[in-house]
Amino acid sequence: AQRVTQPEKLLSVFKGAPVELKCNYSYSGSPELFWYVQYSRQRLQLLLRHISRESIKGFTADLNKGETSFHLKKPFAQEEDSAMYYCALSAGYSTLTFGKGTMLLVSP
Amino acid sequence: DAGVTQSPTHLIKTRGQQVTLRCSPISGHKSVSWYQQVLGQGPQFIFQYYEKEERGRGNFPDRFSARQFPNYSSELNVNALLLGDSALYLCASSLVISLTAFSYEQYFGPGTRLTVT
Repeated sequence: AQRVTQPEKLLSVFKGAPVELKCNYSYSGSPELFWYVQYSRQRLQLLLRHISRESIKGFTADLNKGETSFHLKKPFAQEEDSAMYYCALSAGYSTLTFGKGTMLLVSP
Repeated sequence: DAGVTQSPTHLIKTRGQQVTLRCSPISGHKSVSWYQQVLGQGPQFIFQYYEKEERGRGNFPDRFSARQFPNYSSELNVNALLLGDSALYLCASSLVISLTAFSYEQYFGPGTRLTVT
């Protein structure tokens, strides 16, 4: 069975500070990893996926199979980055296993 | 396109009752998935339907059932409601499902907030 762990419920940083939201997973095969984001009063939406290796809104995430991690990073946090972030894993058929989420608060 | 739509927005039921939640996918999307999100947790997979057939089922009791209609809309039914069924129920649609490791982006609806008293 697959599992996604996000160890931090809340991460609070100041504007301009670096951000790293941690995500670890367990899965015996080759998973696909995603980061979803939910801004206040908005629906859950895809932020980025590891397979595309792209940077969205300044965020990047690298899949580390050795450490089974997929941490989300941004060098300089902005206030508009404040949101709930979910790491998710897909083991096929497009079904997603989500972590519990990390609330990111960026203060001015 | 309005995106994925769900109805109703909120619902209050009492224990033992039955509830039906509805979802309309984005036009052209043939796959619909249902998730349950309990307060403080991430979404948990319940069902996936593709081309009107169940393609996946999460670890939920038989009180939960779903179906997909010819127009690809979907209903989630929950019988014999328990207090623990109180949650936000999310519907997500995608163009296709993948039978391999590659997954297509899922688009989520706003959810239906179910409260069981």
